[in-house]
Amino acid sequence: DVKVTQSSRYLVKRTGEKVFLECVQDMDHENMFWYRQDPGLGLRLIYFSYDVKMKEKGDIPEGYSVSREKKERFSLILESASTNQTSMYLCASSKVAGLYEQYFGPGTRLTVT
Amino acid sequence: KNEVEQSPQNLTAQEGEFITINCSYSVGISALHWLQQHPGGGIVSLFMLSSGKKKHGRLIATINIQEKHSSLHITASHPRDSAVYICAVIGFWGGATNKLIFGTGTLLAVQP
Repeated sequence: DVKVTQSSRYLVKRTGEKVFLECVQDMDHENMFWYRQDPGLGLRLIYFSYDVKMKEKGDIPEGYSVSREKKERFSLILESASTNQTSMYLCASSKVAGLYEQYFGPGTRLTVT
Repeated sequence: KNEVEQSPQNLTAQEGEFITINCSYSVGISALHWLQQHPGGGIVSLFMLSSGKKKHGRLIATINIQEKHSSLHITASHPRDSAVYICAVIGFWGGATNKLIFGTGTLLAVQP
């Protein structure tokens, strides 16, 4: 079974803090994704990576950065957390381009106070 | 207007009922996913289809590429089917990725 794990299920941070969200997959997938999920808006793509050290902006990259130093690990970084970044963050992975399923992690509920 | 629209947004059913959730999209796609998300839980892929029909247990998914429409059916619904069901499409983006565009989900509650 594909396993995508995220470092925390729940996280509470203060405005202005630097926040790291970690995602690890164990299936040697090339593609990894970070989404945020908000009520009424659904899932929106923040960043994705199709190879180590490669990244591309998604639909809402402002206020976020990412790092992919190893194939299995994809990190989302909030340089200076703000209250409007309070959300559910979901990581996913898949094989390289093609009609392959995306496998999702359990999500991290981030609250910025 | 969203590129992927789902209906209904909320659905309450009695146990045993036949349920249909609809998804319409406005972009050209190479495939469509149906995903399930339980409260507080992660997302699980139920189906990926690019034509025709797929069945898994009590779940059936159909797609009509010409009409840009897909349906998810649940037969003999059960309270454990209560979840958010999300439609997502893979477009012809090109490049080395399979980005998804998501609908906003349908919240299903099946009452015993």
